[in-house]
Amino acid sequence: GQNIDQPTEMTATEGAIVQINCTYQTSGFNGLFWYQQHAGEAPTFLSYNVLDGLEEKGRFSSFLSRSKGYSYLLLKELQMKDSASYLCAVRRSGAGSYQLTFGKGTKLSVIP
Amino acid sequence: EPEVTQTPSHQVTQMGQEVILRCVPISNHLYFYWYRQILGQKVEFLVSFYNNEISEKSEIFDDQFSVERPDGSNFTLKIRSTKLEDSAMYFCASSESLAPSTDTQYFGPGTRLTVL
Repeated sequence: GQNIDQPTEMTATEGAIVQINCTYQTSGFNGLFWYQQHAGEAPTFLSYNVLDGLEEKGRFSSFLSRSKGYSYLLLKELQMKDSASYLCAVRRSGAGSYQLTFGKGTKLSVIP
Repeated sequence: EPEVTQTPSHQVTQMGQEVILRCVPISNHLYFYWYRQILGQKVEFLVSFYNNEISEKSEIFDDQFSVERPDGSNFTLKIRSTKLEDSAMYFCASSESLAPSTDTQYFGPGTRLTVL
């Protein structure tokens, strides 16, 4: 089976940097995805890691360590509109396996 | 920018009734998915579909559920006899392929299903 853990809630100040951690346990691994989800809306793709290291995309960066089963999403220069839930999702390896398994999400509140 | 679309945005139905949720995936995408999210809970995989057949399905996707690609653009999820516990947001997603950098799943805006 798979288990994905991330903090339930975080609060950060506008203009600051915040790091959202995700740990996972899976029988096989074929990529980790971060999505942003505003309340009542669809998940929106942010980033993707399949190899170890840092992927940078504007104000958002994501890091992966496969040996540690660990990823983080880094948000810089926080804006009020970044208040949302951030979902960590893992794709398993194996023929015919396409599904994403999601964590419960981290609700980020950005305050002035 | 191409996007996944879903209709209706809201559906209210009586327990025991059949519902069909509709999705139009991104046009050059070949892999299609349905997920659901019960209010306050995590997003859960239901089914994936490729080349006109189911590729993978979860335990949630029992005999009450079916999927179809009736034409070249639509992808539907049918729930034959809805139960109260089927109330959730249903998301359709699509991906171009399974190869790295093109396997990202893009989600539609969702259909909120309420079963009374």
